[in-house]
Amino acid sequence: EVQLVESGGGLVQPGGSLRLSCAASGFTFSSDWMHWVRQAPGEGLVWVSRVKSDGSSTYYADSVKGRFTISRDNAKNTLYLQMNSLRADDTAVYYCVRDNLLRDWGQGTLVTVSS
Amino acid sequence: DVVMTQSPLSLPVTLGQPASISCRSSQSLVYSDGNTYLNWFQQRPGQSPRRLIYKVSNRDSGVPDRFSGSGSDTDFTLKISRVEAEDVGVYYCMQATHWPGTFGQGTKVEIK
Repeated sequence: EVQLVESGGGLVQPGGSLRLSCAASGFTFSSDWMHWVRQAPGEGLVWVSRVKSDGSSTYYADSVKGRFTISRDNAKNTLYLQMNSLRADDTAVYYCVRDNLLRDWGQGTLVTVSS
Repeated sequence: DVVMTQSPLSLPVTLGQPASISCRSSQSLVYSDGNTYLNWFQQRPGQSPRRLIYKVSNRDSGVPDRFSGSGSDTDFTLKISRVEAEDVGVYYCMQATHWPGTFGQGTKVEIK
């Protein structure tokens, strides 16, 4: 059974940083692209970032480019999202998602940016 | 970026009756490999999204056959043949042909 378990969310002040993690199991993690998708409270789904299976290529939504960094550790089956210079509009549930057709989703972790 | 437009945004339905959601893209979703990377997701209240349909019409494992996807190029449809209580939630289309991937606004399905 595929499992994606996010962690690392919480309350952070504007301008602060947070690192999200996603522990993956039940599939060959090193074979799949991985993504982060977010959902602001009461809003729709927005793609944030993706990383190639071997970590060699990364892509970002314009809204987070230069502030967020996606990475992965295939030896630990873990996906990361380093979030810097956080703003109030980054407040959202962040989902870890498997493969380029967004096949499997984690339960999400809530990030709240507020003073 | 490709804009995905869903309609309607709210869909009250009677149990046992059919439902249909339209999704239109601002440009063709046919990729150079001939595939069309249009997916449908269901998000039940309080839950994570779940993929129902991938590449226009392929149902995911465990998805009831009352769900079907169709369409081509820029015009796509998700149909529920007979709505059940467990189908309540928000449905999103999403294109993965032209990155960044983009989602529709979501269609909220509720029981009348």
